[in-house]
Amino acid sequence: KAGVTQTPRYLIKTRGQQVTLSCSPISGHRSVSWYQQTPGQGLQFLFEYFSETQRNKGNFPGRFSGRQFSNSRSEMNVSTLELGDSALYLCASSGVVSDLNNEQFFGPGTRLTVL
Amino acid sequence: DAKTTQPTSMDCAEGRAANLPCNHSTISGNEYVYWYRQIHSQGPQYIIHGLKNNETNEMASLIITEDRKSSTLILPHATLRDTAVYYCIVRATGSSASKIIFGSGTRLSIRP
Repeated sequence: KAGVTQTPRYLIKTRGQQVTLSCSPISGHRSVSWYQQTPGQGLQFLFEYFSETQRNKGNFPGRFSGRQFSNSRSEMNVSTLELGDSALYLCASSGVVSDLNNEQFFGPGTRLTVL
Repeated sequence: DAKTTQPTSMDCAEGRAANLPCNHSTISGNEYVYWYRQIHSQGPQYIIHGLKNNETNEMASLIITEDRKSSTLILPHATLRDTAVYYCIVRATGSSASKIIFGSGTRLSIRP
């Protein structure tokens, strides 16, 4: 089975721009979660989607948004980029809704640099 | 806040067993202990999880104390490729991904 894929792997943007990141979960997985990882704050939960519905959202401003498509692929968008948004953005998928306590499979991440 | 505490760093000789401790003294009855590791600039990789019994898979063993307040991840024959940050997480059955709180983890260095 192919793993979780994320595109692009690296991205450089300037302040004020917006960015869209993409995540394709493992085939058959319907739950997708997004995380931000920075050296200062560590790995922080952004949001979780299941069957095109956002189930949970972390403590991030409204500039961070996401969506999930019918094929379970997910995108996250960050508008009006700030320097502090520079981070590794990770996507994870799990086999079914997290009710069954399945492990999360992480993708390689997208490294976003905001100049 | 993370519900686990781990040493900031450890090192181990190649070929020896690496034993990574984790304290989770406030763990609830329905919470599992999960271990992930993250090799530099890659996504975290699932290693193993358990509730109260010891668990073993092809990567590692997980030893959970009888009172469940602490656990130890054992890499039986550490190699240089095991150099990574190891995260111990507690997560309840039925909880969403929002409840997965990664602490600072343990940076494990394997010496040749």
